[in-house]
Amino acid sequence: SAVISQKPSRDICQRGTSLTIQCQVDSQVTMMFWYRQQPGQSLTLIATANQGSEATYESGFVIDKFPISRPNLTFSTLTVSNMSPEDSSIYLCSVAVSLEKLFFGSGTQLSVL
Amino acid sequence: GQQLNQSPQSMFIQEGEDVSMNCTSSSIFNTWLWYKQDPGEGPVLLIALYKAGELTSNGRLTAQFGITRKDSFLNISASIPSDVGIYFCAGPPGNAGNNRKLIWGLGTSLAVNP
Repeated sequence: SAVISQKPSRDICQRGTSLTIQCQVDSQVTMMFWYRQQPGQSLTLIATANQGSEATYESGFVIDKFPISRPNLTFSTLTVSNMSPEDSSIYLCSVAVSLEKLFFGSGTQLSVL
Repeated sequence: GQQLNQSPQSMFIQEGEDVSMNCTSSSIFNTWLWYKQDPGEGPVLLIALYKAGELTSNGRLTAQFGITRKDSFLNISASIPSDVGIYFCAGPPGNAGNNRKLIWGLGTSLAVNP
């Protein structure tokens, strides 16, 4: 297993601003991911955070809107840029410590006014 | 693309009752995963199933990998208040086993009345 610390746990932001979410893992992991969970919905993969190279984004998500950093094997950040109310969601960091098994941080509850 | 359909969408039960929920797909899955999400937390893996027909337990939870490989179910026996949460089924698409793109169901929301 892996212990994942994600912060902030929640934030209320103004339209047009940006928020950076941090994810720290207690061990080195190769695969780290960012998910979005809109209210009452399931999980949607935003991107895979790659160490030493640009993140791999899923369809519908772009780097300008969701820039991701992965400076080492234990840390990653996701920025939600130029926010609008439609970005109000829970954002989750996750890591894969073995095939198919994902472990998640506690999430960041984002509300955009 | 592949989708996972979970039912029921929500359940409200009395403490002590047994619970059953299922997950179905129009295509084959090689792995079924069941996660639980407590309010304000990220999902936690409960049970992983790797073989058709497999029946696996984790305490009061039992999950089965359907023989057709297109469904799975999760049972909770003698429910308690801490069972409250959203239960998700998930699986890697096709035969790639690529967990990077797990397919997720929409979840079953469980409420338990003490």
